[in-house]
Amino acid sequence: EIAMTQSPATLSMSPGERATLSCRASQSIRSNLAWYQQQPGQAPRLLIYATSSRATGISARFSGSGSGTEFTLTISSLQSEDFAVYYCQQYNNGPPWTFGQGTKVEIK
Amino acid sequence: EVLLLESGGGLVQPGGSLRLSCVASGFTFSSYAMTWVRLGPGKGLEWVSVISGSGGITYSADSVKGRFTISRDNSENTLYLQMNSLRAEDTAVYYCAKAYTGNIYDAYDIWGQGTMVSVSS
Repeated sequence: EIAMTQSPATLSMSPGERATLSCRASQSIRSNLAWYQQQPGQAPRLLIYATSSRATGISARFSGSGSGTEFTLTISSLQSEDFAVYYCQQYNNGPPWTFGQGTKVEIK
Repeated sequence: EVLLLESGGGLVQPGGSLRLSCVASGFTFSSYAMTWVRLGPGKGLEWVSVISGSGGITYSADSVKGRFTISRDNSENTLYLQMNSLRAEDTAVYYCAKAYTGNIYDAYDIWGQGTMVSVSS
């Protein structure tokens, strides 16, 4: 089973700041990584697939990078609607298709 | 518009059963793998089960293997999750989701609104 580890657990940021979220896989997953955003009480929303491709309708302020075992989600300038929990997920090896434990981006 | 609508959640006693349904619209359902993912209270997202577009390939997490069964009816555009021998730790919001390109090895681009399952005596 591939373990996905996200850091930090919580990121306290101010609107307009640049946020960098990290995700590490326990073994290589090539570029088969997705990022999701989840607001309280809502379903997850796909932001990024294949490490760096933005999903339909996703703002260009969201970008993804990395390969192998180290991945990053960057939010270039935080907007009020960006404060949420973010999950990475690998889909290179399964079962299981594993998620990270999440990073909460909160208002400082 | 592409939509997924779950139903079937509720309160059940430990050891009981529930069947969740997810009705799809707006896309060719049989061409896409579908999955169930859950979010437990105070926890992160947990992948539960996946099924290929034809229904011929299924996989489940070890935590539910032997208790939960994923299936689909492509003639009715409906995904199912039969949940037996329910435990307190199965308490969660259950989401169905569509594979982005159709493959079972895929990200999930469309999600339902979720249905709550509570297991308690």
